[in-house]
Amino acid sequence: EAQVTQNPRYLITVTGKKLTVTCSQNMNHEYMSWYRQDPGLGLRQIYYSMNVEVTDKGDVPEGYKVSRKEKRNFPLILESPSPNQTSLYFCASSLYPLGEYGYTFGSGTRLTVV
Amino acid sequence: QKEVEQNSGPLSVPEGAIASLNCTYSDRVSQSFFWYRQYSGKSPELIMSIYSNGDKEDGRFTAQLNKASQYVSLLIRDSQPSDSATYLCAVNIRGSSASKIIFGSGTRLSIRP
Repeated sequence: EAQVTQNPRYLITVTGKKLTVTCSQNMNHEYMSWYRQDPGLGLRQIYYSMNVEVTDKGDVPEGYKVSRKEKRNFPLILESPSPNQTSLYFCASSLYPLGEYGYTFGSGTRLTVV
Repeated sequence: QKEVEQNSGPLSVPEGAIASLNCTYSDRVSQSFFWYRQYSGKSPELIMSIYSNGDKEDGRFTAQLNKASQYVSLLIRDSQPSDSATYLCAVNIRGSSASKIIFGSGTRLSIRP
């Protein structure tokens, strides 16, 4: 089954404790992206990757890092999480750049930073 | 002004009626327009894309695009309780160095039996 797999689904952590949210897709998509979703603000792009070793900042990149060492994987790293990073996070992939013909989204990771 | 604007709702529609969801955008040269459906606690799912002025129909769903008015809408005919969800409008917007997809904050739709 074609899918984007994110882990974990839920995570509660403390301020300053480094964490990684994993994302993997099995569709051979070149384009991958991370979004956060907050009430009233919609989906905001954090980082995106056009291909292996090619990443760029989205609209809200502060406090996040990404890497793209393999085509299928695009982990999101929070080196020192803070409470304002409490949010619902989605990884998405697309066959075409920038999701221009639509994204496939992962199931989401609900992160709480206390 | 937000780049992509939607009424947050909730929009309440009786079962069997037509639900009409609207979206306006700010970038006059946007090329690609999408509607995603998101059930509570779930991830967004692409239901329609439209690239040219006019109507595009897919089953009970019709997307309508008017680039002159910078307006895109989604009609859901014969609304069912299973259509109750948040609908996200997404538009291709020109960024400083490249174009990007911007999502609206969504319209919550409730179909009442």
